[in-house]
Amino acid sequence: QQQVKQSPQSLIVQKGGISIINCAYENTAFDYFPWYQQFPGKGPALLIAIRPDVSEKKEGRFTISFNKSAKQFSLHIMDSQPGDSATYFCAASDNAGNMLTFGGGTRLMVKP
Amino acid sequence: NAGVTQTPKFRVLKTGQSMTLLCAQDMNHEYMYWYRQDPGMGLRLIHYSVGEGTTAKGEVPDGYNVSRLKKQNFLLGLESAAPSQTSVYFCASKQGNQPQHFGDGTRLSIL
Repeated sequence: QQQVKQSPQSLIVQKGGISIINCAYENTAFDYFPWYQQFPGKGPALLIAIRPDVSEKKEGRFTISFNKSAKQFSLHIMDSQPGDSATYFCAASDNAGNMLTFGGGTRLMVKP
Repeated sequence: NAGVTQTPKFRVLKTGQSMTLLCAQDMNHEYMYWYRQDPGMGLRLIHYSVGEGTTAKGEVPDGYNVSRLKKQNFLLGLESAAPSQTSVYFCASKQGNQPQHFGDGTRLSIL
């Protein structure tokens, strides 16, 4: 049973467009929500993270939106670039990120 | 500063063979983890360690064993490999409130 559900599984966006990836969780004890970016042949790397005391966090072109009542959070990539083409994983944790539960991943392709 | 290093990067095994995957970190991190990554299922935690000499089971521990004899190393063993264990294995380490740092993975195929 996957506690963090991620959609879509794959996404194709034109250069300059907005990429949106959604995640939903079940465990109300989760209080740390990171997003990881993974390039082929590499391990995941932390992209951006949010805690439920804020509804939005922005770092450059990347924004996390968080809806605590709906138990949902999403990643928005503004002005998407071909270099953003990668697999993105959402995750959730209830203890400072010590024990992460990952979503299934989204393979993003940004077309030039 | 190499970060998290996994050895080997690729391996092909026959069913029933055994092997050990090595993870080494040079960041003096307390926590270490082993995950497997399968298409559509994200990363699932196999075993983890909160410090030297300690190990604990994760979400999918069956068929795997681990050891953390030294703080910098975390070994993952397959005693009798099965085709269902074909996967990409990732090691990660962490300290305090910092995020988990991942290695580049070991691609394991079991025929």
